[in-house]
Amino acid sequence: NAGVTQTPKFQVLKTGQSMTLQCAQDMNHEYMSWYRQDPGMGLRLIHYSVGAGITDQGEVPNGYNVSRSTTEDFPLRLLSAAPSQTSVYFCASSYSLIQGGSGYTFGSGTRLTVV
Amino acid sequence: LAKTTQPISMDSYEGQEVNITCSHNNIATNDYITWYQQFPSQGPRFIIQGYKTKVTNEVASLFIPADRKSSTLSLPRVSLSDTAVYYCLVGTAGSARQLTFGSGTQLTVLP
Repeated sequence: NAGVTQTPKFQVLKTGQSMTLQCAQDMNHEYMSWYRQDPGMGLRLIHYSVGAGITDQGEVPNGYNVSRSTTEDFPLRLLSAAPSQTSVYFCASSYSLIQGGSGYTFGSGTRLTVV
Repeated sequence: LAKTTQPISMDSYEGQEVNITCSHNNIATNDYITWYQQFPSQGPRFIIQGYKTKVTNEVASLFIPADRKSSTLSLPRVSLSDTAVYYCLVGTAGSARQLTFGSGTQLTVLP
C-alpha cells in the first residue's frame, strides 16, 4: 500500500544510547519531515528535507541528525538519547511545498521511551 | 510564521453541525489555510485546504472571510467517529518554511 512507513512502532532506550528511526515513502514525494508530539501538545518540527541531499533544521533539532540520500528514505538519528526525547515521532511527506502543505501524508508514528 | 489560535476543546452531539474557528491575524499574502484531523495513536490526516472564500469537499467545508484573519472548519452532521483533535495550520506557499501545528481543538462528539 502506498504511504509513509515508520519503523519501529515502539522503542525503549537507555539514556546515552543511540538509534535510528526509519521513515520510507513510496509516493515519489520530494518533501519529507520529522515531527515530535508530546502528551497533550501539537507537533513540533525537528528536521525537514526538500529533496535528496538537502536537509534543514526545524523548531527543535538539538539531539537529532538526519540525512536524505534517496527520495524514498529519511531516517532520524538520536545521537545520545535523553529522557527529554521521550515522545511520539511522526514522519510526513508531501509532493511539494507550493501550496503550503496540502496533502501531507503522515506515518503511524514511533513511540519512544528513554529511561 | 503565522500563529494560529483555536479553542482548546468543543463538545457536540451526534447529528449536529460543528464549526471550529481558527484565528490567524498575521496571515501573509501567500499563505494557505489547512486543516488536519488526528485520532489517538495516529498521525494527522489532511482534511481540507483553502486560500479564500469557501471550499467544500466530501468531508468538510472551509469558510474564509475576505480579510483572511480567521477561518472556520465546518463538519456537517458529526458522528462519534469524528471525535478527534483538529489542527488549523497556516503555511507559506513556494517556500521551505514549515507549517506550525498548534495545540489543536479536541472535539468530543457525544451520543
